[in-house]
Amino acid sequence: EVQLVESGGGLVQPGRSLRLSCAASGFRFEDYAMYWVRQAPGKGLEWVSGMSWNSGSIGYAETVKGRFTISRDNAKNSLYLQMNSLRTEDTALYYCARGDSSSWGRYLEYWGQGILVTVSS
Amino acid sequence: QSVLTQPPSVSGAPGQRVTISCTGSSSNIGAGYDVHWYQQVPGTAPKVLIYVNNYRPSGVPDRFSGSKSGTSASLAITGLQAEDEADYYCQSYDSSLSGVVFGGGTKLTVL
Repeated sequence: EVQLVESGGGLVQPGRSLRLSCAASGFRFEDYAMYWVRQAPGKGLEWVSGMSWNSGSIGYAETVKGRFTISRDNAKNSLYLQMNSLRTEDTALYYCARGDSSSWGRYLEYWGQGILVTVSS
Repeated sequence: QSVLTQPPSVSGAPGQRVTISCTGSSSNIGAGYDVHWYQQVPGTAPKVLIYVNNYRPSGVPDRFSGSKSGTSASLAITGLQAEDEADYYCQSYDSSLSGVVFGGGTKLTVL
């Protein structure tokens, strides 16, 4: 069974940093693209970032480009999102998701339960 | 404003058929990129409902179907059931933005 478990969320002040982690199990992590998607309270889904199986191809939404960095450790079956210079508008439930193939840009086949990030002073 | 446009809400009585539209442009759906649909029951994570325009993952009832034409796509739900009440999102890829794009979401109410 595919499982994606996010961690690292919480309350953080504007301008500070936070690192999210996603522990994957139930599939060969190194074979698949991975994503981060967020959902602000009461709002729709917003794609944040995607990464290919070998980190060779990465994409970011314009709203986070230059502030957020996606990374993965295939040996540890883990995906990360380093979030710097956080803003109040980054407050959201952050989902880790697995793609359907080794390249990102297609569909998100499995989703974690999400982790809440609140940016507030 | 979302790159993909969906109606904010649709509704229908049990047993009826409803459709949800997803309108894009020449840099996403019109460019030939596939459309995928997700269902999100309130308080839970999204799950893929339709992938690559019209394919259903195992376990998804055949009451759900997808189509794509030109710069738009549609999700059709027949034989509406109370359990179908949820938010539905379309998703594609946009070459101008070089990224994944979602529709704004449509709330389905079963009357």
